[in-house]
Formats: sequence, C-alpha cells, structure tokens
Amino acid sequence: NAGVTQTPKFRILKIGQSMTLQCTQDMNHNYMYWYRQDPGMGLKLIYYSVGAGITDKGEVPNGYNVSRSTTEDFPLRLELAAPSQTSVYFCASSYFDNEQFFGPGTRLTVL
Amino acid sequence: QKEVEQNSGPLSVPEGAIASLNCTYSDRGSQSFFWYRQYSGKSPELIMSIYSNGDKEDGRFTAQLNKASQYVSLLIRDSQPSDSATYLCAVNEGYNNNDMRFGAGTRLTVKP
Repeated sequence: NAGVTQTPKFRILKIGQSMTLQCTQDMNHNYMYWYRQDPGMGLKLIYYSVGAGITDKGEVPNGYNVSRSTTEDFPLRLELAAPSQTSVYFCASSYFDNEQFFGPGTRLTVL
Repeated sequence: QKEVEQNSGPLSVPEGAIASLNCTYSDRGSQSFFWYRQYSGKSPELIMSIYSNGDKEDGRFTAQLNKASQYVSLLIRDSQPSDSATYLCAVNEGYNNNDMRFGAGTRLTVKP
C-alpha cells in the first residue's frame, strides 16, 4: 500500500512554461486535494475533488487546473508558470471521515 | 475571512516536559479540528482529530476543544526530542472537506 504518491519530487521551470504535477492514491479514497505551502505559511487549498469527474476550486485556484478522470489520479496543471507559483505542492486524499493523508510533496521553483 | 491562528514559536521545552500548543479559529461554524505534525522537508502527518468539546487522549497526546472560546489545543506529555517538528492546526467548517483551513504552524523544539 503506497498511500499517496507524487511526481516529480523537484522541478525548476522558466517563467511561462507549463507542467503537470502527478498525484496517485491507492487507498480508494473518494476525496482528493491539492495544497500549496509557502515558507513559514500554512497550507492553502488550490483545488479539490469529491469523486471521479467532479472538481471544484479551493482558496487559491488562479493559475492552476485539475482533472479527475479516475478515483486514483488527480493531476494538477500549471499553465504559464509565474514566480509567485514557487512553492511546495502537496496532494492529499481522504475517505469520508475528514482525515486527510498527504503525499511527499513536489518542490517547484519558477525562475 | 476565515482564519486559523497559531503562535509561530519556536516553542522550546526540555525533554520529559509537557508541551502545550494552541490554536484559535474565527469561524464559529467549524465542526472538525485536526492536529498535524510536519518534520522539516516532509509532508504533514495526522496525529489527532477532535470533533466534540472536551478532551481526547491518544497516548502521549491530548487534544482539547472549546467551541465557545473557539480554541483548540494540543498537549504533548513526556516530550521527546523526536517530537521536535512544526505542528499544524487545521479546522474544517463542514462535514465535507472543501473548506479545510490550516494555521501557519508552531515550531516545537524538545531539548535533551
């Protein structure tokens, strides 16, 4: 049971480039989330999904897109990367009991 | 604006002491409360959840919730150097998970 996995672990992007952060969970959780964490700050919710085919915006969705075609996968797409998107990105999942399990994170730098 | 506030610390306690971590929240409608531990460079790890007023104990950890005062705390008894980490308080308004708000975290150092 791998839990929540994320790839890549690290990435450097140039301004204006695009990329997709991958997230997969093998716990058959309905709910999945994307957060970003800036230094010294708490986690901010970017997007979430309550099941395959259903996604919704969180607190800071601008500059990001998501899709949820399967229960297991929840990729996060960055279009036209900006320095303000430099952050650590965490994917998480949960069943129905509110307790979220986090992946190891992707450290993204936009230069 | 829904806020979750924590003292950023650092909080330093000697080994074997009780560490007390505090969190206040602004949304009176909040229903679910969580404490996560985050080691440097790692992802958050759930250590406690609490949904009702009062105390909830799990090993060396006790979570305390007071909804009237909009206050949730975490006590760590017999603190160990391995408890040194940042502790994140998270608060959720509803019974679904689309409004989880995290505090910035309190950095705890347990000195041997």
